[in-house]
Amino acid sequence: EVQLVESGGGLVQPGGSLRLSCAASGFTFSDHYMDWVRQAPGKGLEWVGRMRNKANRYTTEYAASVRGRFTISRDDSKSSLHLQMNSLKTEDTAVYFCARAYSSSWGGDYSDSWGQGTLVTVSS
Amino acid sequence: DIQLTQSPSFLSASVGDRVTITCRASQGISSYLAWYQQKPGKAPKLLIYAASTLQSGVPSRFSGSGSGAEFTLTISSLQPEDFATYYCQHLNGYPRTFGPGTKVDIK
Repeated sequence: EVQLVESGGGLVQPGGSLRLSCAASGFTFSDHYMDWVRQAPGKGLEWVGRMRNKANRYTTEYAASVRGRFTISRDDSKSSLHLQMNSLKTEDTAVYFCARAYSSSWGGDYSDSWGQGTLVTVSS
Repeated sequence: DIQLTQSPSFLSASVGDRVTITCRASQGISSYLAWYQQKPGKAPKLLIYAASTLQSGVPSRFSGSGSGAEFTLTISSLQPEDFATYYCQHLNGYPRTFGPGTKVDIK
């Protein structure tokens, strides 16, 4: 069974930093691209970014709202994904989900498995 | 960037009703679209990918259609467990934008 478990959320002051982690199990983590998606309280889903796998040189994509402040990394040896968040703003307050990207024979990929999320609150 | 709109944003329906939600993209995205269901306090759940392919384990009362820039999610006979918020997401390039969501509530 695919499992994704996020951790590392909490309260941080504006301008501060936080590092989120996502522990994966039940599948070959190293094969998959992985995403971060967030959801501000009472709001919709916002895609944050993606890290590709080793075969695709661990390249990344980011939403404009976080580019230059957030960094995605992964440790395939530990089946873990990370989100380093710097220069945090109050508008970064959200539940952060990690999600597995699944590539099918159709030719595209989609987030087929999600963690339960971890809450980040940016407030003074 | 590709923008997605959904209509309606809110829908009140009864058990047994047929429900249709529309997602429109700001440019053509072929069939690169997914639909998710989210219940309060829970992670999103994938329902449909490639615009019309039902994810394994999802009840057949859910269906998706469309291509290009207009897509629909249909629930053929609404069940109590279907009251939730539904999001579309494009899968064509980056950023992987989500639609604003459609909340389906009990009438």
